[in-house]
Amino acid sequence: KAGVTQTPRYLIKTRGQQVTLSCSPISGHRSVSWYQQTPGQGLQFLFEYFSETQRNKGNFPGRFSGRQFSNSRSEMNVSTLELGDSALYLCASSSNSGGETQYFGPGTRLLVL
Amino acid sequence: EDQVTQSPEALRLQEGESSSLNCSYTVSGLRGLFWYRQDPGKGPEFLFTLYSAGEEKEKERLKATLTKKESFLHITAPKPEDSATYLCAALTGANSKLTFGKGITLSVRP
Repeated sequence: KAGVTQTPRYLIKTRGQQVTLSCSPISGHRSVSWYQQTPGQGLQFLFEYFSETQRNKGNFPGRFSGRQFSNSRSEMNVSTLELGDSALYLCASSSNSGGETQYFGPGTRLLVL
Repeated sequence: EDQVTQSPEALRLQEGESSSLNCSYTVSGLRGLFWYRQDPGKGPEFLFTLYSAGEEKEKERLKATLTKKESFLHITAPKPEDSATYLCAALTGANSKLTFGKGITLSVRP
């Protein structure tokens, strides 16, 4: 089975711009979670989608949003980028939304200048 | 607020020198404790899930154990290829939110 894929792998943006990241889960997985990883804060939960519905949300500002499509692919969007948004953005998929093992993609490295 | 703490932050071992990595947690209603390995520039790779105190799981040179307050990842006779950052995460509540520790960076010298 193919693993979780994320595109793009690397991205450079400037402050004030917006960005959209994409995640394709493992085939058959219906839950997609997004995490932000920085050296200082580690991995922090952004949100989780299951069957096109946001089920959980972390403590991030409203500039961070996401959605999930009927084929379980997910996108996250960050508007009005700030320097502090520079991070590795990881998505993880699981078969259900009940605590099954989450499998991570390789991440998208975002640099905000 | 759920908290997961890993110690030490970094660990340097000689090849063959066994050791343990600690993950302590303060959460309400632990549903599972996960261990992941992360190599530089890559996403976390799943290692183990532990669901109840007393449970143990093994894979090659790694063994994970769980108590009511902490989990240990024991590394027996490590090799340089075991060098990576090891992350633990607690699953709580009726959802898929994982609370991660900040990780332990392990370096194994030949």
